[in-house]
Amino acid sequence: EMQLVESGGGLVQPGGSLRLSCAVSGFTFSDYWMHWVRQVPGKGLMWVSRISDDGSSTSYAESVKGRFTISRDNAKNTLYLQMNSLRGEDTAVYYCARSRKFYHFFTGYYYCPDSWGQGTLVTVSS
Amino acid sequence: DIQMTQSPSTLSASAGDRVTITCRASQSISNWLAWYQQKPGKAPKLLIYKASSLESGVPSRFSGGGSGTEFTLTISSLQPDDSATYYCQHFNTYPYSFGQGTKLEIK
Repeated sequence: EMQLVESGGGLVQPGGSLRLSCAVSGFTFSDYWMHWVRQVPGKGLMWVSRISDDGSSTSYAESVKGRFTISRDNAKNTLYLQMNSLRGEDTAVYYCARSRKFYHFFTGYYYCPDSWGQGTLVTVSS
Repeated sequence: DIQMTQSPSTLSASAGDRVTITCRASQSISNWLAWYQQKPGKAPKLLIYKASSLESGVPSRFSGGGSGTEFTLTISSLQPDDSATYYCQHFNTYPYSFGQGTKLEIK
């Protein structure tokens, strides 16, 4: 059975740092691109970042660029999100998600989040 | 960046009703669109991918349509278990973005 289990959330002061982890099992982690998506409690979903299967390529939402770093350890089947210079508006539940890959002959590959972890809550407050 | 706009924001319908949720993209995304269902305290669950492909294990009363900038999610015969918030999301280019969500209440 496929599982994605996030950890590392908690209470942190503004300006502080936190590293989230997402441990996966039940599928070949190194075959999949991965994402982080967050959700302010009671609000909508916001895509945060993605990483390629080998870790060589990453993308970020503008609001976290330069502060957050996505990475992975394929030997440990684990995805990470290093969050620095945290702000109150970063308070949210953070989900990791696996990507399903699609190919279009003319335009290339596309990646759709298909399976999600249960999330970990990050609270940024003094 | 591509903006996604969903309507309506809330929807109340009875069991057995047919309901449709609409999602509009600010520019063409071909069919690179997904629909998710989220229940309180739970992670989103993929329902539809590539605008109209039904995810394995999802009941056939769910269907998706559209391409370009206009998309729909239709539930053909509402069941009590369909009470949830539904989100569209494009995966055409980065940054991905979600619609603001449609909260569906079963009367």
